[in-house]
Amino acid sequence: EVQLVESGGGLVKPGGSLRLSCAASGFTFSSYSMNWVRQAPGKGLEWVSSISGPSDYIAFADSLKGRFIISRDNTKSTLYLQMNSLAAEDTAVYYCARGQPYHIMTIDYWGQGALVTVSS
Amino acid sequence: QSVLTQPPSVSAAPGQTVTISCSGSTSNIASNYVSWYQQFPGTAPQLLIYDDYNRPSGIPDRFSASKSGTSATLGITGLETGDEADYYCGTWDSSRRVGVFGGGTKLTVL
Repeated sequence: EVQLVESGGGLVKPGGSLRLSCAASGFTFSSYSMNWVRQAPGKGLEWVSSISGPSDYIAFADSLKGRFIISRDNTKSTLYLQMNSLAAEDTAVYYCARGQPYHIMTIDYWGQGALVTVSS
Repeated sequence: QSVLTQPPSVSAAPGQTVTISCSGSTSNIASNYVSWYQQFPGTAPQLLIYDDYNRPSGIPDRFSASKSGTSATLGITGLETGDEADYYCGTWDSSRRVGVFGGGTKLTVL
């Protein structure tokens, strides 16, 4: 059974940093692209970033302006999102989501989400 | 402002049919696979349709989708109260090299 379990969310002050992790199981992690998608309270889905299986392709939403870093450790079947210079507008539930080898945005599995709250 | 345009809400009575549109451009919908997701309040999205019109196992055939040019459409027949949820379309934008979602459509089954 495919499972994606996010961790690392919480309350952080504006300007602070946070690292999210997503532990994957039930599939060959290195063979799949992975995504982070976020959802602000009461808002729609917003794509954040994608990374290919071997980490040779990485894409980010323009609005993030280099504040976030996506990475993965295929030996640990874990996806990461390092978030720096956090602002109130980054408050959201962050979902880890599995893409496909042939199409990053064909997302077939989602984690339960990690809530990140940026507030003083 | 989402790159993909969906109606904010649609409604219909139980047993009826509803369609949800998703409008994009040549760099996203027209040239990449479209997926549709269903999301209930407080839960993660769930894949409903992938690669333009395919249903994952376990998704009833009341759900269908199509794509033509720069637009995609999700159809739901035989509406049930349990179908009340938010629906999102998503795809890749080859020109901007980013993932894109529609703004979401809230389905109300009256």
